[in-house]
Amino acid sequence: NAGVTQTPKFQVLKTGQSMTLQCAQDMNHNSMYWYRQDPGMGLRLIYYSASEGTTDKGEVPNGYNVSRLNKREFSLRLESAAPSQTSVYFCASSEKWRIARNEQFFGPGTRLTVL
Amino acid sequence: SQQGEEDPQALSIQEGENATMNCSYKTSINNLQWYRQNSGRGLVHLILIRSNEREKHSGRLRVTLDTSKKSSSLLITASRAADTASYFCATDGDTPLVFGKGTRLSVIA
Repeated sequence: NAGVTQTPKFQVLKTGQSMTLQCAQDMNHNSMYWYRQDPGMGLRLIYYSASEGTTDKGEVPNGYNVSRLNKREFSLRLESAAPSQTSVYFCASSEKWRIARNEQFFGPGTRLTVL
Repeated sequence: SQQGEEDPQALSIQEGENATMNCSYKTSINNLQWYRQNSGRGLVHLILIRSNEREKHSGRLRVTLDTSKKSSSLLITASRAADTASYFCATDGDTPLVFGKGTRLSVIA
């Protein structure tokens, strides 16, 4: 089992460019999440998908869009990158949000720099 | 926001000593979780404690939860250099997990 995989590992963009971060999990989890981590800020939830076919905004959704492509894959798109989106992005999955044991499993992260 | 807040922000101890980290949160929760993050890596789940539990153990980890004070503590006993990492609490209520800013633990050999 690979767990949660993310591509790419590193990316440098110029302001205004677009890109899609890919995430896949092989644990048959229902729920998937995208976070960003900035120094001193902890992790902040961007978007989540409680189950296949649904997506919801988290704490910091502005400037991002997501697609739950199927049960395994959950992508994050930056339509017009800004320097404020320079961050480390983590994808996570869990068996199902709102059940008693909702521990999340994290991918290795994507380090994004926007110039 | 129900974001948890860890205290202290940073902690440095000698190998073999115990490390205690605290977490406070604002709203009612279903459960509280602790995660570890090694430098440059993703987070790894350590332990989950439900809102109706007061204490839980897992190996060298001991977690307590006081819902009346909206606080939790994580104790790592007999620390090792490999325990050097950032530790985050995360609360699960009406929204998916909300993480605190973390405690950076350094264990000096």
